[in-house]
Amino acid sequence: KAGVTQTPRYLIKTRGQQVTLSCSPISGHRSVSWYQQTPGQGLQFLFEYFSETQRNKGNFPGRFSGRQFSNSRSEMNVSTLELGDSALYLCASSLAGQSGNTIYFGEGSWLTVV
Amino acid sequence: QKEVEQNSGPLSVPEGAIASLNCTYSDRGSQSFFWYRQYSGKSPELIMFIYSNGDKEDGRFTAQLNKASQYVSLLIRDSQPSDSATYLCAVNPISGGYQKVTFGIGTKLQVIP
Repeated sequence: KAGVTQTPRYLIKTRGQQVTLSCSPISGHRSVSWYQQTPGQGLQFLFEYFSETQRNKGNFPGRFSGRQFSNSRSEMNVSTLELGDSALYLCASSLAGQSGNTIYFGEGSWLTVV
Repeated sequence: QKEVEQNSGPLSVPEGAIASLNCTYSDRGSQSFFWYRQYSGKSPELIMFIYSNGDKEDGRFTAQLNKASQYVSLLIRDSQPSDSATYLCAVNPISGGYQKVTFGIGTKLQVIP
């Protein structure tokens, strides 16, 4: 059974640009969550999607957005990139995203903003 | 107060010793608790989950949960150099609802050969 797949794995962008990251969850998983990980802040929750609907959102500015497609695949977009957006972006999937459901992480997308 | 607190370490233990990793959380309604291991440059991988008070054992790993004290711990017996990693405590703060798993900063464990 394939795990969570994230693309691209590594990317470098310039300040002011935008970026789109993609995530394919484990087959059968309908909940997709996104996290940002930085050395100083640790893993921070961005948002969670289930059945193409955003159910939860973390404390990030509106520049961070996402969506989920009918096949449960998800994308997140960051517009007007800032240097501080340099981080590892992790996608995680779970069966139904309910309390108690285990979340499984992809390998992550390393974003560097220069 | 952070929702999930961990000592960032590093915690250094000699090979073969017991490593004890601790975590406290603020939301009393939390129902599910997870421990993830993250090697440098890699994504977190699930080690254990625990829902009920008490101990849960899986091989060399034991998770302990005390909801009254809002405390979760992970014990690693017979620590090996390959256990050297950052251990993330994760808590689902939404009782009975949808998940918004919150992570601690992680404790860096160093097992000295």
